[in-house]
Amino acid sequence: NAGVTQTPKFQVLKTGQSMTLQCAQDMNHEYMSWYRQDPGMGLRLIHYSVGAGITDQGEVPNGYNVSRSTTEDFPLRLLSAAPSQTSVYFCASRTKREHSYEQYFGPGTRLTVT
Amino acid sequence: GDSVTQMEGPVTLSEEACLTINCTYTATGYPSLFWYVQYPGEGLQLLLKATKADDKGSNKGFEATYRKETTSFHLEKGSVQVSDSAVYFCALSSGTASKLTFGTGTRLQVTL
Repeated sequence: NAGVTQTPKFQVLKTGQSMTLQCAQDMNHEYMSWYRQDPGMGLRLIHYSVGAGITDQGEVPNGYNVSRSTTEDFPLRLLSAAPSQTSVYFCASRTKREHSYEQYFGPGTRLTVT
Repeated sequence: GDSVTQMEGPVTLSEEACLTINCTYTATGYPSLFWYVQYPGEGLQLLLKATKADDKGSNKGFEATYRKETTSFHLEKGSVQVSDSAVYFCALSSGTASKLTFGTGTRLQVTL
C-alpha cells in the first residue's frame, strides 16, 4: 500500500515549457486535490476532483489543467511554465465516507521555473 | 470566504518546554478544524482534528480544543521534544468536502 505517490520529486523548467506532474493513489479514494506551497502563504488549492470525470477549480487555477480519467490518477499539467509557478506541489486524496476527514498527502514535487 | 490565521514563526523552544501555537479562523457554517504537521522534506500528515464546538482533538501529546465563541483552535503540548521540530499548519474544511483552507504555517524548532 503506497498511499499517495508523486513524480518527479524535483523538476527544473524553462519559461514557456510544458510538463505534467503525476499523482497516483492506491486507496480507492474518491476525492483528490492539488495544492501549491509557497513561503509565507501556506498551501493553496489549485484544482480538485470528487470522482473520475469530475474536476473543479480551486483558489489558484490559472496556468494549470487537470483531468481525472481514473480513480487512481490525477495529473496536473502546466501549459506554459512561468517563474511565478516555482513552488512545491502536493497532491492529496481522501475518501468521501461520511465522518472520515483525513486527507493523505504525497511527498511533493519541487518545481523551479527559470 | 474561509480563512485561517496562525501565529508567525519560527518558534524556538528548549526541550521539555510548553508549546502553544495560536490559530483563529473565519468560516461560514460549522467547519471542521485540523492541525497538520510537515517534517523536513516530507508531505503533510494529519496531527489531530475536531469536528464540532468544544471537541478536543489529541495525538502524540498534542491537544487542541474547538472554541466556537472565540473562533480558535490553538495547538498545545506540555513538554516538547527535539523530534517535534517541524512546520505546523492549522486548517479548516467547510462546505465542499475535498477542500481544505490552510494557515501560513508555523515552524517549530526544539533544541536540547
